[in-house]
Amino acid sequence: DQQVKQNSPSLSVQEGRISILNCDYTNSMFDYFLWYKKYPAEGPTFLISISSIKDKNEDGRFTVFLNKSAKHLSLHIVPSQPGDSAVYFCAATVSGAGSYQLTFGKGTKLSVIP
Amino acid sequence: DSGVTQTPKHLITATGQRVTLRCSPRSGDLSVYWYQQSLDQGLQFLIQYYNGEERAKGNILERFSAQQFPDLHSELNLSSLELGDSALYFCASSVASGDFSDTQYFGPGTRLTVL
Repeated sequence: DQQVKQNSPSLSVQEGRISILNCDYTNSMFDYFLWYKKYPAEGPTFLISISSIKDKNEDGRFTVFLNKSAKHLSLHIVPSQPGDSAVYFCAATVSGAGSYQLTFGKGTKLSVIP
Repeated sequence: DSGVTQTPKHLITATGQRVTLRCSPRSGDLSVYWYQQSLDQGLQFLIQYYNGEERAKGNILERFSAQQFPDLHSELNLSSLELGDSALYFCASSVASGDFSDTQYFGPGTRLTVL
């Protein structure tokens, strides 16, 4: 049973436009959410996170939105750049459980077209 | 460069064999996590060690085991290997300060191929 779902395996966006990557979760115990970016032959790199006490977190071109009632989060990249082309993983964890093991989605491959 | 190192980068072996994957965490990080990424799958949490002790277990098979040594490096042992064990194995480390914003930093992974 997948607790974190990224329903779009791939997304293509023109350079300069907005990229929106979506993620849904089913486990209501999750209270901390993260996005990781992964280039081929490298490990995932932390991008941005959000606690369940917030509904938005912004870091430069990257903004994560959390809708707890819908159990949905999204990552917005504005403006998109060719260097953003990578696989993006949504992850979630339960804080205070003694372990911060991450539950990952299967990823969305973003292609930013110059 | 995340500061987490994993060796070897690639490993090719046969069914029934045993292999050991090694991970060195970032300097100062006490926690080590192991994840498995199979084809078309997201990363699956296997096991976590904190300062030498097992902290949490995920979907780790009984044929797999791990340990963390006094110098905080960790090894993941995979035995009686099957074709389905072919995957990317990632190690991540974190300070494990107790703050839920504790970030996990991932190594480059070890690609295991079982023939």
